[in-house]
Amino acid sequence: NAGVTQTPKFQVLKTGQSMTLQCAQDMNHEYMSWYRQDPGMGLRLIHYSVGAGITDQGEVPNGYNVSRSTTEDFPLRLLSAAPSQTSVYFCASSSEGRDTEAFFGQGTRLTVV
Amino acid sequence: TQLLEQSPQFLSIQEGENLTVYCNSSSVFSSLQWYRQEPGEGPVLLVTVVTGGEVKKLKRLTFQFGDARKDSSLHITAAQPGDTGLYLCADYDYKLSFGAGTTVTVRA
Repeated sequence: NAGVTQTPKFQVLKTGQSMTLQCAQDMNHEYMSWYRQDPGMGLRLIHYSVGAGITDQGEVPNGYNVSRSTTEDFPLRLLSAAPSQTSVYFCASSSEGRDTEAFFGQGTRLTVV
Repeated sequence: TQLLEQSPQFLSIQEGENLTVYCNSSSVFSSLQWYRQEPGEGPVLLVTVVTGGEVKKLKRLTFQFGDARKDSSLHITAAQPGDTGLYLCADYDYKLSFGAGTTVTVRA
């Protein structure tokens, strides 16, 4: 059972380039979300989805796009990378319920130069 | 917007000592969760508390939830080097709002 799989694990981009961070889960979870983690700031919510075809913005959505065409996949697109997007990105999934557990991927470390 | 404050930001103790970390929210938690994160990994859930005044124990870890459901503490008894990590509190409502975390280092 793979859980939540993120690819790539590391990435270096030049300013202005675009790319997609992949996230896939095999637990049939309805809820999926993307976070970025910066030193001293914990994890901040970028975008989230409560099911296929439904997405919404989180705390820091600017510069990022998401879509949810299937239950399993929730890719995060950087439209035009900026140095301020240098961060570690985590994808998470969870099932319905008040005391359910969120499962996280291992993260993608992104550097924008 | 909910604000979660965790204190202290850093904590370094000797093996065998006890420690407590705190989490305070500007508004009532929907469902409070504590996670631990190790370097290079994603956070892993330790516990979920939903009822004001609730106390949960997980081996040497004790979690308390305030009566007003706006604050929580995590107490570790006889800390071990394996307890080293970043401890994060979060409000869960099908998505998570995290505090900045407490970095705990337990020296052997």
